[in-house]
Amino acid sequence: EAGVAQSPRYKIIEKRQSVAFWCNPISGHATLYWYQQILGQGPKLLIQFQNNGVVDDSQLPKDRFSAERLKGVDSTLKIQPAKLEDSAVYLCASSISRDYEQYFGPGTRLTVT
Amino acid sequence: AQKITQTQPGMFVQEKEAVTLDCTYDTSDPSYGLFWYKQPSSGEMIFLIYQGSYDQQNATEGRYSLNFQKARKSANLVISASQLGDSAMYFCAMRGLNTGNQFYFGTGTSLTVIP
Repeated sequence: EAGVAQSPRYKIIEKRQSVAFWCNPISGHATLYWYQQILGQGPKLLIQFQNNGVVDDSQLPKDRFSAERLKGVDSTLKIQPAKLEDSAVYLCASSISRDYEQYFGPGTRLTVT
Repeated sequence: AQKITQTQPGMFVQEKEAVTLDCTYDTSDPSYGLFWYKQPSSGEMIFLIYQGSYDQQNATEGRYSLNFQKARKSANLVISASQLGDSAMYFCAMRGLNTGNQFYFGTGTSLTVIP
């Protein structure tokens, strides 16, 4: 069974530029999560999808971050414009449903200079 | 509000010995789940073990067991017979089933297994 796929693995951009991350969850997993993990901290949930609908985006900085999961499968997270404090690893995870354990992808390490 | 606390930033254990990683939590939700994840240097989070708040017995998965003490609000991870490959960051997480199902992670414990 293929795991959660993410791309790119690494990205370096200048502040005020935009960036997009892609995630393809495990086949059949209805729930998809995006997390931000700042160095030395635990992951923080940004947004949670159930199929193609948003379940929770209370911690998503909506003035600069956006995410979509149009067909209920893969998802894109965008930051526009980026700030220095957005430097972090962005993790995507999926689960069969909200009540089950999450499986994580390898993450995208973003550096904003 | 829900909160997860891991007070051990770093731990060392001799190979083949057992080690306990501490986790305490705070929640007003009567129904919740507790999780442990391992994050090697490669960055991927690996699910290890789950304990439900109403489970009567402590969860076990191979060399991993969860010492669940509900009254003390603690959910410590015990790794038996440590292996070199166990060296990684370990995160405790909680999900309140009646409060939006949002996951809260602790700050993690870095475990180093010494040969």
